[in-house]
Amino acid sequence: QVQLVESGGGVVQPGGSLRLSCAASGFTFSNYGMHWVRQAPGKGLEWVAFIRYDGSNKFYADSVKGRFTISRDNSKNTLYLQMNSLRAEDTAVYYCASRTTMVTTWWYFDLWGRGTLVTVSS
Amino acid sequence: DIQMTQSPSSLSASVGDRVTITCRASQGISSYLAWFQQKPGKAPKSLIYAASSLQSGVPSKFSGSGSGTDFTLTISSLQPEDFATYYCQQYNSYPPTFGGGTKVEIK
Repeated sequence: QVQLVESGGGVVQPGGSLRLSCAASGFTFSNYGMHWVRQAPGKGLEWVAFIRYDGSNKFYADSVKGRFTISRDNSKNTLYLQMNSLRAEDTAVYYCASRTTMVTTWWYFDLWGRGTLVTVSS
Repeated sequence: DIQMTQSPSSLSASVGDRVTITCRASQGISSYLAWFQQKPGKAPKSLIYAASSLQSGVPSKFSGSGSGTDFTLTISSLQPEDFATYYCQQYNSYPPTFGGGTKVEIK
């Protein structure tokens, strides 16, 4: 069964750090690019970051550039998001996402995890 | 960045109604457009990709159309399980961007 499971969310103070993980199963993780997408409480969806299948390229939203780092360990079928210098506006449910359909761009995803909640508050 | 504008932001409809949601891109995105359904407390679910291709397992009451800058999602006969928020997303170019969402509520 194809599945993504996020973990690592919690409450952190402004300026603090947190590392999210996303465990993949049911597909060949090392063949697929991976994304993080977030959703602030009561708000819409915002793409956060992308990493290619082999980690050779990484892209970020302007809102997190320089503070967040996406990485992956293909030997562990796990995606990470290191979040530093956290702000109140980073409070959101964070989803990891990938694709099950063959498309010709990097920016497509159709497989989502259930998400993990990050709350930045003093 | 490509801006995605959905309309309406919310709508009220009855079971059995035909519902259409519109999504407009600020510049041409060919057919690189996806639609998602999200229910409260749940992750988004993929419905349509490439503007009009139905994701595996998605019922045929959902359909998508359009190319370039103007797209639509249609639900042919609204059922209780279809009351949710719907998002469009362009995957033509970096950064991928979403519409603001359309909340479909029960009349």
